[in-house]
Parts: sequence; C-alpha cells; structure tokens
Amino acid sequence: EDQVTQSPEALRLQEGESSSLNCSYTVSGLRGLFWYRQDPGKGPEFLFTLYSAGEEKEKERLKATLTKKESFLHITAPKPEDSATYLCAAQGTGGFKTIFGAGTRLFVKA
Amino acid sequence: DVKVTQSSRYLVKRTGEKVFLECVQDMDHENMFWYRQDPGLGLRLIYFSYDVKMKEKGDIPEGYSVSREKKERFSLILESASTNQTSMYLCASTPGTGGYYGYTFGSGTRLTVV
Repeated sequence: EDQVTQSPEALRLQEGESSSLNCSYTVSGLRGLFWYRQDPGKGPEFLFTLYSAGEEKEKERLKATLTKKESFLHITAPKPEDSATYLCAAQGTGGFKTIFGAGTRLFVKA
Repeated sequence: DVKVTQSSRYLVKRTGEKVFLECVQDMDHENMFWYRQDPGLGLRLIYFSYDVKMKEKGDIPEGYSVSREKKERFSLILESASTNQTSMYLCASTPGTGGYYGYTFGSGTRLTVV
C-alpha cells in the first residue's frame, strides 16, 4: 500500500537554528515527490517537485533532497516567518492519486 | 497570478442539509480535485476530475458527489450533511497529467455541521 510518513510531527527551533524535516515514502514507481507549505487556515502552497533520487532543489532558506526511500526538507538559518506546517506528498504510477503525509508543524522562535 | 477560488471560507450547516461547495480555477487546468483535511489524518482525496463531465472516486467518496459542467468549475455536493463531515475542504487543480506538476490549492472552506 502506498504510504507517506513525515517526522517529526512538530519541531520547535530558535531563529537561526538549522534543521531537517523527514518524509519517508513507499509508492510504486515514483512519478513525483512534492513539498508544500501550509499556513494556519489556508490552503497548501506548492514549494518543490523532485522526480529522481539524487535530485535537489532550493528556494531561499529551504532545500529539498530525494533518495529512493526518503526526502528531506533542510531549513537553513530559519526565521519566524518560516513557521508553518510542511506537507510532503508522493505520486506513483497508480494514476492521478497523490498520497499526502500528515505534515510537520514547524515553530521558529525569535 | 493564477488562482483557485473557493466560494466560501466558513460555512455552518445543519444535519441533513444538502451542501454545495464551489471551486473555480482560472488557469485552464484539466484536472481538479477535492480533498478534506482533518487533524492527524492529513489530506484525503474525495473525488477528482480529469476532464469536463468526467469524475473519479477518491479514497473517501461516501456521502459526497461532484459536478463538473465547465472546465473551470468543480463542485462538491454533500447530499445530506452529517456531523462527521465537519472538516476543512480543499480544492486543487493541475494541468495535464498530475504526476509532473504540483497542485494549486484554494484557500479552503471550513465546514461545520451542527
């Protein structure tokens, strides 16, 4: 069964304290691994798509990486405005369905 | 700026009411989706549509139906609202085959059924 698991559930950081969020996935024939940011009361906002192991993508303080079993979202020197829930999702060859993880709630304190 | 617009941010409905949630996208996307989001459960797919008048069941279609009469509009219908349908409902769209594109989501509709 296709599955996406994110850890930790919540992460509290001090401003400037770098860390990583983990996304473990089990899908048949990965077509795309996605990262989204979601602010409270809003819809998720697309960040990155990764397609193959070894691929990396960056946006400001965020860098996403992909292996055959996991993806990491590295946050370098975070700021309070990076506080949000980060969602990971994966789509395999089974069709249109995208499987979402439950998310990691990130809190960055000034 | 491309947009997915959901007609209501907050709704309160009574048990047994028929409820319509509307979603409109202005990006000429082929694929549209309805998800619900609940704490600890993540996003779960209710229905999706890959073309006008086409629809496919997702993982939790029971108690819901959809309508897509025009490419830009995808409606979610709760036939007889129940308290266990209290949730955040998210509409999303993608162009072409969804596997190669991230979703563009709407802002969500928080539905409370009393």
